[in-house]
Amino acid sequence: GENVEQHPSTLSVQEGDSAVIKCTYSDSASNYFPWYKQELGKRPQLIIDIRSNVGEKKDQRIAVTLNKTAKHFSLHITETQPEDSAVYFCAASIRAAGNKLTFGGGTRVLVKP
Amino acid sequence: EPEVTQTPSHQVTQMGQEVILRCVPISNHLYFYWYRQILGQKVEFLVSFYNNEISEKSEIFDDQFSVERPDGSNFTLKIRSTKLEDSAMYFCASSIVSPSGANVLTFGAGSRLTVL
Repeated sequence: GENVEQHPSTLSVQEGDSAVIKCTYSDSASNYFPWYKQELGKRPQLIIDIRSNVGEKKDQRIAVTLNKTAKHFSLHITETQPEDSAVYFCAASIRAAGNKLTFGGGTRVLVKP
Repeated sequence: EPEVTQTPSHQVTQMGQEVILRCVPISNHLYFYWYRQILGQKVEFLVSFYNNEISEKSEIFDDQFSVERPDGSNFTLKIRSTKLEDSAMYFCASSIVSPSGANVLTFGAGSRLTVL
């Protein structure tokens, strides 16, 4: 089955700096890669996703890149703010109805003011 | 914005007791899931459910676990005889296929299960 690895496990950045989180996946059939943000004690919430026919997607201060050949994808957060502090999870799935997500181990991001 | 709702938010139980966690998925969603998250660890897939039957289950989802959609709105996870290692946050999720074909999951707020 699919295995998703995520690095780093913790990331501390100064407010205003950029944060980059990287994930690799093992199943070449995976073609849908969402990113979830989980604030302390709350539910994971989708922040951005990318499909395998797209190399990059951007939404305001967050962007995701995908290298299908190397089987890795990354989340980039620019101009970080204290409210970006959370745990971020990458996930992989085969883009089809009802297919499960396989999550990475999570990255705890701390933005220092 | 439609939400997935879960009850209870927190349940404390004795080892060996049965527990039922309840979920109300988003009304027009067709696919339902249970995930769990042991404190400080990754979110792990347990089971997916579609058209009143299990679509897929993980190795975690053994004979102690069962799921049911008893009526048109609820989706339940039952643990027959809880073990200490069942202590975790259990997330229900539901999904619908977006116009782009992506299977976008929406998670509930979770039910924290503590087994003593």
